[in-house]
Amino acid sequence: EVQLVQSGAEVKKPGESLKISCKGFGYRFTSFWIGWVRQMPGKGLEWMGIIYPGDSDTRYSPSFQGQVTISADKSISTAYLQWSSLKASDTAMYYCARQATPGHAFDIWGQGTMVTVSS
Amino acid sequence: QSVLTQPPSVSGAPGQRVTISCTGSSSNIGAGYDVHWYQQLPGTAPKLLIYGNNNRPSGVPDRFSGSKSGTSASLAITGLQAEDEADYYCQSYDSSLSGSVVFGGGTKLTVL
Repeated sequence: EVQLVQSGAEVKKPGESLKISCKGFGYRFTSFWIGWVRQMPGKGLEWMGIIYPGDSDTRYSPSFQGQVTISADKSISTAYLQWSSLKASDTAMYYCARQATPGHAFDIWGQGTMVTVSS
Repeated sequence: QSVLTQPPSVSGAPGQRVTISCTGSSSNIGAGYDVHWYQQLPGTAPKLLIYGNNNRPSGVPDRFSGSKSGTSASLAITGLQAEDEADYYCQSYDSSLSGSVVFGGGTKLTVL
């Protein structure tokens, strides 16, 4: 079965670092883009950026450029989203999703990782 | 403010037909880029509903259909059912934003 499995919920303090993961199963991980999408509590979907694990080509939304880092380790079919210094405003659900090309639909979604940042 | 504009909410009675609009511009929908639609049930991850403007993935009922014209797209749901109550999002690609994926702000569908 084709699926994306994300790491579990995180509770962090402001200023801490964090790296969450998204592991692909059942398909050639290096042949599809992986995107990250933020959903703040009670709000809509926001595209953060995408990575092509085959060559690590990475693109960021202007809103998230410099705020997060997207990476991938193709040897273990895993993509990552990381923060160096979390803020309370980073509290949100984060989804990874698979995309054939940047213009295509996200056809497979992870279950989401809830990140809570609170002092 | 989202690049793609959707109505915040729509509603309809069981069995009725509703439509949800998604308005873009000449750098996204109007440039010919495909529009995709997602359904997000409460507390769950989004699910692909329509891809490539008017195509349904396997398992999506034919009550759901999509269309596109000019700088806008629409999602239509016929024979409304209680289980259709969810948030719906459109998505496209924008050539003005260095390879950006863009989402609509989302529409809450209430089944009366």
